[in-house]
Amino acid sequence: QVQLVESGGGFVKPGGSLRLSCAASGFSFSEYYMSWIRQAPGKGLEWLSYISSSGRTTYYADSVRGRFTISRDNAKNSLYLQMNSLRAEDTALYYCARDWGMSHLAWGQGTLVTVSS
Amino acid sequence: QSALTQPASVSGSPGQSITISCTGTSSDVGGYNYVSWYQQHPGKAPKLMIYDVSERPSGVSNRFSGSKSANTASLTISGLQAEDEADYYCSSYTSSSTFVFGGGTSLTVL
Repeated sequence: QVQLVESGGGFVKPGGSLRLSCAASGFSFSEYYMSWIRQAPGKGLEWLSYISSSGRTTYYADSVRGRFTISRDNAKNSLYLQMNSLRAEDTALYYCARDWGMSHLAWGQGTLVTVSS
Repeated sequence: QSALTQPASVSGSPGQSITISCTGTSSDVGGYNYVSWYQQHPGKAPKLMIYDVSERPSGVSNRFSGSKSANTASLTISGLQAEDEADYYCSSYTSSSTFVFGGGTSLTVL
């Protein structure tokens, strides 16, 4: 069955960097668009970025454009999110999701990022 | 991109029907038939319940239905059950080729 497992979260100081990974299995990874979505503690969902199946096309939310970079390695069935210039407001649970048309069909369990001095 | 507007909370008794609204603009909800709805139980990942305004993924109960009129989309849950108690989020594709979520609605089954 479809499985998405995020990793790479942790504690980082403001201004620091972190790279999240999402390992995909149970489906043909290279055929699907993928997204990153986050949820701050006790708050709602915020879409961050998506990447096309080939990796050639990417889009970002205004809140992270220029600081975050989405990428993928189809040979490794993996999705990544490079996060730079992190701020306290980036503290959240980060989910990767397999897109299906214009929706997010399958979700991982998330990896927690905490930005604090 | 501003978040879509949802009521903070709704409630209903078992067996009743409830509707959750999701209001956007002509640049998102009103401009595309790409509204989706997600259910999230505490401590769990969101689950897709409705896509493309009114389509249900395989395995989702037909008690869940979606619709849209102008800039407002709606999720209706009929025959409320205790297990439906959760947070619900709407999402829409936008004219900027991005996505935007609503603020979320907490559903209480009385």
